[in-house]
Amino acid sequence: EDQVTQSPEALRLQEGESSSLNCSYTVSGLRGLFWYRQDPGKGPEFLFTLYSAGEEKEKERLKATLTKKESFLHITAPKPEDSATYLCAVQERDTGGFKTIFGAGTRLFVKA
Amino acid sequence: EAQVTQNPRYLITVTGKKLTVTCSQNMNHEYMSWYRQDPGLGLRQIYYSMNVEVTDKGDVPEGYKVSRKEKRNFPLILESPSPNQTSLYFCASSPGVGNEQFFGPGTRLTVL
Repeated sequence: EDQVTQSPEALRLQEGESSSLNCSYTVSGLRGLFWYRQDPGKGPEFLFTLYSAGEEKEKERLKATLTKKESFLHITAPKPEDSATYLCAVQERDTGGFKTIFGAGTRLFVKA
Repeated sequence: EAQVTQNPRYLITVTGKKLTVTCSQNMNHEYMSWYRQDPGLGLRQIYYSMNVEVTDKGDVPEGYKVSRKEKRNFPLILESPSPNQTSLYFCASSPGVGNEQFFGPGTRLTVL
């Protein structure tokens, strides 16, 4: 069964304490792997797209990497404003088109 | 302003009373999608549309209908809502397959 698993479910960090979030996936015909940030009560906001193993993308304190089976979102020296839920999603070829599968997310709490 | 709009934002209804949640995007996007978000389960895709008059089932299509008669609109129809459809619903659009999705603000539906 195609699936996307994120770990940990929740992560508590002190400000400045770097860490990584994991997204493992088992899908066929990967069309893209996406990272989103979601704040409470709002829709997800796009962060990165990765298409092939070995690819890396970086933006401010965030860096996303991709292997054939998993992706990592590295957070360097996080600040309290980085507190949010981080969602991983994959888009794969389906019988009729291309569907999207999301992981359950990692809730990040950064304390000042 | 480029955006995805959903209406209504909040809805309380009773079992069996047909309802429609509208979704509209002003970015000329081809790909549109509906998701539901439940605690601990993350975002699950209900239906998606690759283009006008082309719709496909996601992972949880039971109890829902969609249509794509115009490029900008993608309404979600619940013909006979049940309490297990109580959830937070998001509409999203994307330029195409393999591109990031832009999410609407969400519709919180309660079925009594």
